[in-house]
Amino acid sequence: AQKVTQAQTEISVVEKEDVTLDCVYETRDTTYYLFWYKQPPSGELVFLIRRNSFDEQNEISGRYSWNFQKSTSSFNFTITASQVVDSAVYFCALRNYGGSQGNLIFGKGTKLSVKP
Amino acid sequence: ETGVTQTPRHLVMGMTNKKSLKCEQHLGHNAMYWYKQSAKKPLELMFVYNFKEQTENNSVPSRFSPECPNSSHLFLHLHTLQPEDSALYLCASSQAGTRYEQYFGPGTRLTVT
Repeated sequence: AQKVTQAQTEISVVEKEDVTLDCVYETRDTTYYLFWYKQPPSGELVFLIRRNSFDEQNEISGRYSWNFQKSTSSFNFTITASQVVDSAVYFCALRNYGGSQGNLIFGKGTKLSVKP
Repeated sequence: ETGVTQTPRHLVMGMTNKKSLKCEQHLGHNAMYWYKQSAKKPLELMFVYNFKEQTENNSVPSRFSPECPNSSHLFLHLHTLQPEDSALYLCASSQAGTRYEQYFGPGTRLTVT
């Protein structure tokens, strides 16, 4: 079975704080893909990153960084020096390589509020 | 226009009305999707189209009828909806295949009265 758990329902930080959003996944497949999306109040889901299961290198993009650890089935997302514009709901998602194309499993999301 | 566009952005309809949602992607993708996002449930996949052919229907009631005339356009025809169908309807596109990320439109906020 596939499952994505985002245990943090809501997080509130003050601007310039660092914040980490947790994502734990379950899958029996050896080849799979993990994704992070951002959904600001406007509603559109914005693609942030895709990670392949065979590539465990961490990635940094500006203030964003991702820590992928297969040993703990986690794909955590850290925002450094948070800004008010980072306020959004963030979704982690999983898709197996051998599964159906539509079988993109989303977590329930973490609502991040960054206060000035 | 760039990315994925959806019209209308907001729609209020009665239960006896017929309306359509439109989605257009400008990314050269060959797969398109409809999702439903309601307050009480996580994102729910409704339909998948690959190269204009419907490849997945996630047990969606027949009052939702999708149409994909070409790889760039996707419609969702609505008729005799129920109040519980009120939700944000998101369209997405991607390259066909499981490895590719999906790009989403801004959504249509639907209210059924």
